Amino acid sequence: EDQVTQSPEALRLQEGESSSLNCSYTVSGLRGLFWYRQDPGKGPEFLFTLYSAGEEKEKERLKATLTKKESFLHITAPKPEDSATYLCAVSARNSGNTPLVFGKGTRLSVIA
Amino acid sequence: EAGVVQSPRYKIIEKKQPVAFWCNPISGHNTLYWYLQNLGQGPELLIRYENEEAVDDSQLPKDRFSAERLKGVDSTLKIQPAELGDSAVYLCASSFRGVSDTQYFGPGTRLTVL
Repeated sequence: EDQVTQSPEALRLQEGESSSLNCSYTVSGLRGLFWYRQDPGKGPEFLFTLYSAGEEKEKERLKATLTKKESFLHITAPKPEDSATYLCAVSARNSGNTPLVFGKGTRLSVIA
Repeated sequence: EAGVVQSPRYKIIEKKQPVAFWCNPISGHNTLYWYLQNLGQGPELLIRYENEEAVDDSQLPKDRFSAERLKGVDSTLKIQPAELGDSAVYLCASSFRGVSDTQYFGPGTRLTVL
């Protein structure tokens, strides 16, 4: 069974204090790993897709990396507007029935 | 380009009442998904459509939930009758061409069943 575990559940950072969020996954053949940002009362907003180990993608203060067992979302010098829940999801290559399996998310709070 | 549109944004009903949610996907997106999201959890798939065909509804509680996507564009998800445990956020998402493409989500409908 495909599984996604995110840690920590919640993270509180001071503005400018860099850190990383972790997404560990178990999947029978990875098709893609997705990162989403979700603000309170809104739907998930797409950030990145990673397809193979060693791949990295960046967007502003965020950088996502991928290994064979986990992905990291690195946040460099965060600002209060980066506060949100960050969701990780995987899509298995051989799974036609469950396109995306989501983790529970990491709630990030950035304090000014 | 307009994103995924959902309505209503909020709905409060009493248990045993029916309720319906509407979704209009991004123009040109053939695949449409309905997800359920409980507080503190990630979204869980309820049903997936490829055009007008429901290709995965294994997680849809068919005794009370139904969905349709007539003409392969917009979709409606219905609950009848609603139960207290149905209180959650119902998210709609779409992708261009199947599960290999990125899914884009709507704002969701927050349902409260009293």
